[in-house]
Amino acid sequence: IVLTQSPGTLSLSPGDRATLSCRAVQNVDRNFLAWYQQRPGQAPRLLIYSASIRANGVPDRFSGSGSGRDFTLTISRLDPEDFAVYYCQRYGGSPLVSFGGGTKVE
Amino acid sequence: QVQVAESGGGVVQPGGSLRLSCAASGFPVNSYEVHWVRQAPGEGLEWLGVISSDGNIELYGDSVRGRFTISKDFSKNTVFLQMNRLRPDDTAVYHCARDLLPGAPDYLDSWGQGTLVTVSS
Repeated sequence: IVLTQSPGTLSLSPGDRATLSCRAVQNVDRNFLAWYQQRPGQAPRLLIYSASIRANGVPDRFSGSGSGRDFTLTISRLDPEDFAVYYCQRYGGSPLVSFGGGTKVE
Repeated sequence: QVQVAESGGGVVQPGGSLRLSCAASGFPVNSYEVHWVRQAPGEGLEWLGVISSDGNIELYGDSVRGRFTISKDFSKNTVFLQMNRLRPDDTAVYHCARDLLPGAPDYLDSWGQGTLVTVSS
């Protein structure tokens, strides 16, 4: 597994702070790392790219940080619509694109 | 508005073939890389491959290299995924997704809702 996400499941309440981890086997070149949200029955949605840049329309309660092998997605105050599965994704190397196994926020 | 929409899924027997389509609107496929990603029932996301903006370069993941082929039809503004020698473990929802920015690192910005492929006898 190129990217390991932890924990597998995060059990929280609305208003809580969520901290999700993504660890790479090797350094992620130039922090080419993204985060996606997938709600049940929906397609994934790009939240964060290049480790810390929010995509268009993403609320500022979402933030990304990290470098090298360790990256974090933080949701400062959970909104009911934030309960979903979150994936990290690396660009570069072989395969060119790879995803972590996901963290479910319930 | 940028959109992609997949079609062509269905039930196919092991060893069979299927071609999926990804119709793009709101942007020209000759300006963007387009990826295919699948999700088996109850599982995570698996990257399958990408085709360059000009259609001349394709890269694939290990599990599908040699069996799947991605192509573009510029006149139809559509991307295809040709799947051959299908196996039961290819059963999944197949998504296409556009790169965020041309010529930039591959972040998948616009996703379709997906099309379900079931490989079963």
